[in-house]
Amino acid sequence: DAGVIQSPRHEVTEMGQEVTLRCKPISGHNSLFWYRQTMMRGLELLIYFNNNVPIDDSGMPEDRFSAKMPNASFSTLKIQPSEPRDSAVYFCASRRGGQGASTIYFGEGSWLTVV
Amino acid sequence: AQSVTQLDSHVSVSEGTPVLLRCNYSSSYSPSLFWYVQHPNKGLQLLLKYTSAATLVKGINGFEAEFKKSETSFHLTKPSAHMSDAAEYFCVVSDRGDYKLSFGAGTTVTVRA
Repeated sequence: DAGVIQSPRHEVTEMGQEVTLRCKPISGHNSLFWYRQTMMRGLELLIYFNNNVPIDDSGMPEDRFSAKMPNASFSTLKIQPSEPRDSAVYFCASRRGGQGASTIYFGEGSWLTVV
Repeated sequence: AQSVTQLDSHVSVSEGTPVLLRCNYSSSYSPSLFWYVQHPNKGLQLLLKYTSAATLVKGINGFEAEFKKSETSFHLTKPSAHMSDAAEYFCVVSDRGDYKLSFGAGTTVTVRA
């Protein structure tokens, strides 16, 4: 089975530009997570989807961030407009089922730099 | 509510010597516990997990961890470190019946030749 697939792997963009990060979860997984990792704050949960429905978006920093999951095999995280403080690694992760015992599988991450 | 404390932010060992990474957790319910490893510029890879079966859990690459409920600990060990073990390690807890994960702050492992 292919793992969680994220694109782009690296993105450098100018402040004010729109950034779209993409994720394909593992087939059969019905839970999807977006995390952000920075040196200062570690790993932060941005949003959690279950069966394509956003369940918890309390970690989304502000209105500049939005996420969608139009179907079971695709999700996007969009930042518009981007700011330098958004520079981070963004991870998508998926699991089968919605509860604690099942393993969460992480993608390789999207390294975002906003200049 | 759940939380994780990794007691060491950095561990340095010589190649061939044992590695011990310490993790304490708090959980309202029966927890699931995980250790993940992150190599530089890579994603998080599962090393092992505990979900209420055997308290001694064996994982990949020779790692193992022991769940001790009385001590609320889930320490990770490896008898002989290899250079390829240099990475960051995260202890993670999830309450049964909850979707959220709580991550420790991470322990950076350095392996000296």
